[in-house]
Amino acid sequence: AQSVTQPDIHITVSEGASLELRCNYSYGATPYLFWYVQSPGQGLQLLLKYFSGDTLVQGIKGFEAEFKRSQSSFNLRKPSVHWSDAAEYFCAVGAPGNTGKLIFGQGTTLQVKP
Amino acid sequence: NAGVTQTPKFRILKIGQSMTLQCTQDMNHNYMYWYRQDPGMGLKLIYYSVGAGITDKGEVPNGYNVSRSTTEDFPLRLELAAPSQTSVYFCASSYPGQETQYFGPGTRLLVL
Repeated sequence: AQSVTQPDIHITVSEGASLELRCNYSYGATPYLFWYVQSPGQGLQLLLKYFSGDTLVQGIKGFEAEFKRSQSSFNLRKPSVHWSDAAEYFCAVGAPGNTGKLIFGQGTTLQVKP
Repeated sequence: NAGVTQTPKFRILKIGQSMTLQCTQDMNHNYMYWYRQDPGMGLKLIYYSVGAGITDKGEVPNGYNVSRSTTEDFPLRLELAAPSQTSVYFCASSYPGQETQYFGPGTRLLVL
């Protein structure tokens, strides 16, 4: 069965420090991969996505993610975190041609210390 | 473009009451989705639609119904509200082949 796992429920980093949020997926083929961010009381906003090609993808707000097929991972990174990055982050996987349906991970809450 | 809009933003229901959560998108997207979000559980797909007149169940459809009479609107109906339906509900839409879903701001529902 398809699934997405975000091993870290809650992460705290200091402002200016680097960040890596983990995402592992289970899927029979190469899926489409997404990272969304949700600020408190808001809907989800797309950070970046991977469909094919270069395995390192750049997104908005200085985020990037790397697709590693051998590890079934799609980890999100940012070299220097800002206080405004505090939010909940969701990894999601979709299948090409599958009516666009996505399976979401449980989410990782990021807290940023001043 | 307003994108995806949802109403109401917040609602309190009594057990057994019914209500409709409204969702409208102005991007001419064929695909639309309803999710519920519970703490620590991520988002779970309730129902989805690939076009007007076509709907299908997602992962957690029990207790809900949908209809899609137009491309723009995709209302979610709760017939007999139960405390287990206390959640935040998100509507989303996408265009075939683009796969990226655009989300509304959500509806927070409390069933007491």
